[in-house]
Amino acid sequence: GDSVTQMEGPVTLSEEAFLTINCTYTATGYPSLFWYVQYPGEGLQLLLKATKADDKGSNKGFEATYRKETTSFHLEKGSVQVSDSAVYFCALSEMDSSYKLIFGSGTRLLVRP
Amino acid sequence: DADVTQTPRNRITKTGKRIMLECSQTKGHDRMYWYRQDPGLGLRLIYYSFDVKDINKGEISDGYSVSRQAQAKFSLSLESAIPNQTALYFCATSDPLLNGGGYTFGSGTRLTVV
Repeated sequence: GDSVTQMEGPVTLSEEAFLTINCTYTATGYPSLFWYVQYPGEGLQLLLKATKADDKGSNKGFEATYRKETTSFHLEKGSVQVSDSAVYFCALSEMDSSYKLIFGSGTRLLVRP
Repeated sequence: DADVTQTPRNRITKTGKRIMLECSQTKGHDRMYWYRQDPGLGLRLIYYSFDVKDINKGEISDGYSVSRQAQAKFSLSLESAIPNQTALYFCATSDPLLNGGGYTFGSGTRLTVV
């Protein structure tokens, strides 16, 4: 079945450092890909998405490019802030009528001042 | 008010007890989902519903049941709670016009089974 694998955390960075969180997927067909963010005590919020190969999703300084050849959707940010501390989930949407989301295990990011 | 409201926010219950987690939404979406979150495992789908007459099992439905009382309400029940059902539970709705990207999550219910 479809699956998502993302790097284990926690990832600890200093403010203004460059961030990469790796995400790879296994799927039949060409799913849509997403990054969700979960701040402490809250539900998940959509951060960005890409619906086809070579699309780049971006939001709040975060970017991710849908790479079909490497089945990857890595999340990047050029300069992280303390307020970016959260858990980040990579996910794919199954290509059937259910639009169920399949999530990776999540990566906790801690940004220190 | 939040778009997706879950109650209770926290609950401690004993093994063998029946418990219901409730979810209501004001998004007007037909599709609703229940997920559980465990450390290191991400979110896993328990049940989902496309309308009040359409209920579907997810990957981990054993030990759970659901009820879609109305378009806006989707409840999750644990008929006889066991400790390995201790987890964070999320309800979500989606807009199919947004191709999966339109999920709106509630704030979660933290359930502890002792």
